[in-house]
Amino acid sequence: DGGITQSPKYLFRKEGQNVTLSCEQNLNHDAMYWYRQDPGQGLRLIYYSQIVNDFQKGDIAEGYSVSREKKESFPLTVTSAQKNPTAFYLCASTLGAGMDQPQHFGDGTRLSIL
Amino acid sequence: SQQGEEDPQALSIQEGENATMNCSYKTSINNLQWYRQNSGRGLVHLILIRSNEREKHSGRLRVTLDTSKKSSSLLITASRAADTASYFCATDAWGAQKLVFGQGTRLTINP
Repeated sequence: DGGITQSPKYLFRKEGQNVTLSCEQNLNHDAMYWYRQDPGQGLRLIYYSQIVNDFQKGDIAEGYSVSREKKESFPLTVTSAQKNPTAFYLCASTLGAGMDQPQHFGDGTRLSIL
Repeated sequence: SQQGEEDPQALSIQEGENATMNCSYKTSINNLQWYRQNSGRGLVHLILIRSNEREKHSGRLRVTLDTSKKSSSLLITASRAADTASYFCATDAWGAQKLVFGQGTRLTINP
């Protein structure tokens, strides 16, 4: 079945540590997105990529970094500069870059601080 | 600032009743989408309505869009326990290369 796979499902970060969240899709989609969701809140865009080897900052990019070396993969690194990383992180993709297309989501990674 | 704002924040109804959720937004849009999120899961796309459309149906879902009032509503008819979830609207403001999500409506269907 085609879809988006996020791993791990749960992740714990120690003080001063960088952690990387994985997002892989086999939908042959061009565009991929990372969102952060806090309890009882909507989604906020961290980074997005419309094509391989290119990505753009979203609304809350500070303390995060991404790469897009392969079409299928869009990993997100939460750096030690992100002082409040505890949240639910969602990865999504769309066939093209237009905003008139439904976004397909993974099942998220829940990140907590040790 | 949030583009889409859902109302109510929480809604609890009996199984079989209809559920209506509303979304208001601030700037002109090209499209508005509705998504469902079950607890601890990712979002699932439900329906997309374009700015030149007034109403769309998909199974038990009915979405309306009033661009003059900058608002949309999602109606779920004959609700089922499996409809229990959070529902989000998402808009793409003119010129923006992103969707902006509202804070969602938490819908609980009581058996």
